[in-house]
Amino acid sequence: NAGVTQTPKFQVLKTGQSMTLQCAQDMNHEYMSWYRQDPGMGLRLIHYSVGAGITDQGEVPNGYNVSRSTTEDFPLRLLSAAPSQTSVYFCASSYRYSNQPQHFGDGTRLSIL
Amino acid sequence: RKEVEQDPGPFNVPEGATVAFNCTYSNSASQSFFWYRQDCRKEPKLLMSVYSSGNEDGRFTAQLNRASQYISLLIRDSKLSDSATYLCVVNIKRGGATNKLIFGTGTLLAVQP
Repeated sequence: NAGVTQTPKFQVLKTGQSMTLQCAQDMNHEYMSWYRQDPGMGLRLIHYSVGAGITDQGEVPNGYNVSRSTTEDFPLRLLSAAPSQTSVYFCASSYRYSNQPQHFGDGTRLSIL
Repeated sequence: RKEVEQDPGPFNVPEGATVAFNCTYSNSASQSFFWYRQDCRKEPKLLMSVYSSGNEDGRFTAQLNRASQYISLLIRDSKLSDSATYLCVVNIKRGGATNKLIFGTGTLLAVQP
């Protein structure tokens, strides 16, 4: 059972570079989301999607873009990396709604120099 | 005031002890409540949902007090393997049909031999 798969697991970027964090789930879940986790801040919602072709902003969307062309994939794009985006990023999915238990990927640890 | 607040701990307890965590939430319209467990440098994993009538899963008991707006987690007969950060998660409905999951910053439990 793959569940939620995130790649890469680790990444170091220079300020101003762009990159895409990949997230894929094989559970046919409609709801997918991206969080960042920083010390003392808890998990904060960046963007979410309630189904293919539908995305919306979370609490901290600035500097990130998402798309949902298929049910399985929900990539997160950093447009121009900044040191403030150094964080651990988690992708999560649930069957249909955000108020159902979320299944998390094992995270991407991103450092911006 | 934070929407979801937890005592960050750490709670240092001996093996076999009973330990309880509380979590308060600010939005009285909150609908769903969960406890997640997060091991160091790992993804959050669902421990249990919290139901209005209270629920138990082995050594773990979760309770909800809507009047006082808090949820609790009781762990009996603590094991070394219970050492982790416990995240309180509350689903909040904001504007129309939008549901958002709000994560607490977590309570660190360290069970000592």
